Amino acid sequence: AQSVAQPEDQVNVAEGNPLTVKCTYSVSGNPYLFWYVQYPNRGLQFLLKYITGDNLVKGSYGFEAEFNKSQTSFHLKKPSALVSDSALYFCAAGLGGSQGNLIFGKGTKLSVKP
Amino acid sequence: NAGVTQTPKFQVLKTGQSMTLQCAQDMNHNSMYWYRQDPGMGLRLIYYSASEGTTDKGEVPNGYNVSRLNKREFSLRLESAAPSQTSVYFCASRRYFGPGTRLLVL
Repeated sequence: AQSVAQPEDQVNVAEGNPLTVKCTYSVSGNPYLFWYVQYPNRGLQFLLKYITGDNLVKGSYGFEAEFNKSQTSFHLKKPSALVSDSALYFCAAGLGGSQGNLIFGKGTKLSVKP
Repeated sequence: NAGVTQTPKFQVLKTGQSMTLQCAQDMNHNSMYWYRQDPGMGLRLIYYSASEGTTDKGEVPNGYNVSRLNKREFSLRLESAAPSQTSVYFCASRRYFGPGTRLLVL
């Protein structure tokens, strides 16, 4: 079965430190991969996507993600965390080359402390 | 350009009642999707529409029906609501998500 895993329910980071939110996938074919952020009682905001090309993808708000085909991973990173980055982060994979038919991970809560 | 809009924002139903969740997009996309979000489970696809006039089941379609009214609009209907359908429902157009509908079934 195709799946997306986010192995950490919560990640705690001090403001100013680098952050990583992990994601691995098990999807047939060449995956489309996405990261979204969700603030409390809000919808999902698109951060970035990988379809093809450069393995390092840059997105909104200073986030980037590294695609690693051999490790089937797509970890989200930011060099210097902000308190305002505290939110729920979702990794997703597009099925059949789709940008909308997505399998989501369970989400990782990021908490950035001052 | 509003992107993806959903109505209502919040709804309370009694078990057995019916309702329709509305979704519209102004981005001229062919594909639209309905997801539900439950705590600790991420988002799961209910139904999708690859283009006007077509709909397909997703991972959790039981208890729901959909209508792709035209290219802009994609509605989700609960014919007989159950407490297990208490959730937050998101409509998406390609990778863009609406603000969600919070549904409580008593």
